[in-house]
Formats: sequence, structure tokens, C-alpha cells
Amino acid sequence: GAGVSQSPSNKVTEKGKDVELRCDPISGHTALYWYRQRLGQGLEFLIYFQGNSAPDKSGLPSDRFSAERTGESVSTLTIQRTQQEDSAVYLCASSLTRDRTDTQYFGPGTRLTVL
Amino acid sequence: QKEVEQNSGPLSVPEGAIASLNCTYSDRVSQSFFWYRQYSGKSPELIMSIYSNGDKEDGRFTAQLNKASQYVSLLIRDSQPSDSATYLCAVQPNDYKLSFGAGTTVTVRA
Repeated sequence: GAGVSQSPSNKVTEKGKDVELRCDPISGHTALYWYRQRLGQGLEFLIYFQGNSAPDKSGLPSDRFSAERTGESVSTLTIQRTQQEDSAVYLCASSLTRDRTDTQYFGPGTRLTVL
Repeated sequence: QKEVEQNSGPLSVPEGAIASLNCTYSDRVSQSFFWYRQYSGKSPELIMSIYSNGDKEDGRFTAQLNKASQYVSLLIRDSQPSDSATYLCAVQPNDYKLSFGAGTTVTVRA
């Protein structure tokens, strides 16, 4: 079946602009996660959704970052007033449930470059 | 102290040799441990999960976990050029969030 998809695959923006990143999880997966991967580094947790609710937003680096999920499906990560340090690959993952034995499947990521 | 630390690499091994990757973690309550493989420019792919102390084997891969030492490792036997990738250690302190190490890049020389 279809895996996790993300769009756009690449985004180049100017400092100060807002960007929206989209994630389509695997159908039927109730849990959805956003991670950020800076060049040469591991993945950094940003936010977790169970259904349409976000019980854990602890990883969001600042109030410029927000995310929502609708229809227990598509999620959008929004970064307002982008800064150069926001440049990274933003990865979305989904899992069937939040149970620790359920594999998190990752999408291909969106590479964000802030000039 | 980082939550998850991996040997920095890069690790270069000849084809057919064993590649050994190490990972330590700081959160003692962690119960779930994973190894992801990430090819350059691609998304991470789960290759091993381990939850109990001891060894777990899957094909050419063996994961080893020692909770007392807060240590998890991955052995790749009979390394192939297709194993050349970055290997990410991930630890799950609670039941959803993954904490990742920075990764170890492995190059298998033909």
C-alpha cells in the first residue's frame, strides 16, 4: 500500500516568509509525528498527534512553529517568519497506534532552505 | 549529556567483514530500542527493534541490548556494499516519542 507522503519535497524560501509543509500518513494510522533533521545530525522530535489532538508539542522549537491535523489524516506543519536556522529536512512519520511496538514509518521528507 | 550517543564514525569495513555499531542512552526508563538505516537523501527505514536484554538476530543483523549498562549495539555480518548507509540508533523513553542519535555512517569497501 501507499506509504507516508510529504510535500513539497524541496522548499526554498526567503528569511521572514511563512512556509507550510504537508504530510499524508499511511491510511488508518492514528499516530503521526514530525521530526526535524539538521545536516549531519540525528532526528529531533517536534510534535506528536493522536487522532487530531496534539498531546505533546514539547519539541516545537519556538512559537513560530505550529502544526495541525484534520480528519485524523493530513497534517500541516507551519513555520512563520522563517529563520536561517530553520533550514533542515522535516520528516513526518506515522504508526498504527501510539503503542511502542508499532513501527514508525517515515515519509521522504521536505528539505527546507531558508536564504 | 545527549540522550542518545553513537560512535561518531565514519566506519569503513571490507566486504564480507562484520560492522559493529554502538549506542548508549541516558534515560534509564527506556524500554524500546531501534536501529534505522538511512541512505543518503532518503528517509530512515527500520531494520531492527529490540525490547529485552540479550541478542536478537534477523538475517545478517544482530541487535544486542544491555539495559544495566544502558547500551545497545548492532552487528552487520557479511557486510555488503548495499549496507553502506547511515545507521541511526533510536530510543523510546515513553510510548511514542523516539530520541535519535546522530548516526554512524558505514562504508563497505568492495
